[in-house]
Amino acid sequence: QKEVEQNSGPLSVPEGAIASLNCTYSDRGSQSFFWYRQYSGKSPELIMSIYSNGDKEDGRFTAQLNKASQYVSLLIRDSQPSDSATYLCAVNIRGRRALTFGSGTRLQVQP
Amino acid sequence: SQTIHQWPATLVQPVGSPLSLECTVEGTSNPNLYWYRQAAGRGLQLLFYSVGIGQISSEVPQNLSASRPQDRQFILSSKKLLLSDSGFYLCAWSGVSNTDTQYFGPGTRLTVL
Repeated sequence: QKEVEQNSGPLSVPEGAIASLNCTYSDRGSQSFFWYRQYSGKSPELIMSIYSNGDKEDGRFTAQLNKASQYVSLLIRDSQPSDSATYLCAVNIRGRRALTFGSGTRLQVQP
Repeated sequence: SQTIHQWPATLVQPVGSPLSLECTVEGTSNPNLYWYRQAAGRGLQLLFYSVGIGQISSEVPQNLSASRPQDRQFILSSKKLLLSDSGFYLCAWSGVSNTDTQYFGPGTRLTVL
């Protein structure tokens, strides 16, 4: 099992729909979780962080964390073509100095 | 506010040539610094991290090395490049008060021919 696992996609949604991106992790003791957006040819950009179970909202983005089930998700409401990118899930695995990243999910928002 | 710079932005080098990539951070002191590599269509691979001047930890044995000669400067080097060294090299930093949250620089795209 990968330490941080994401479906590679592509996930295709129509403009205006809700995009749901999922991530599972293996270390039950992980405490910090992050979502990054990476446009093609560009570096990852931090979108959100979440540390507690439940939902955290920031504009059109909502991060959801369920530590018991070891998954974290990102919802993008009112998806726009400009949201088309690869979304990376990152987890702070216990004992590691740096974040561990999933391989990313490619999102395509169709106009 | 904090900013992170990397140069060069792109680089094409022949196999066997040396490499030096530079990363600098502005607007913060004592950052943790990281070098990642992202191969085409792949995830991020941590190469090195540093918690202070001269303190380097290597995650993956390879022909690359890193140095931190100043608090906010991080350098990635190689004496002889391999074809497999091609990729997108990303420098990142995190703060002393919140070491979890990492911010990335613009990256260097390296092609080894």
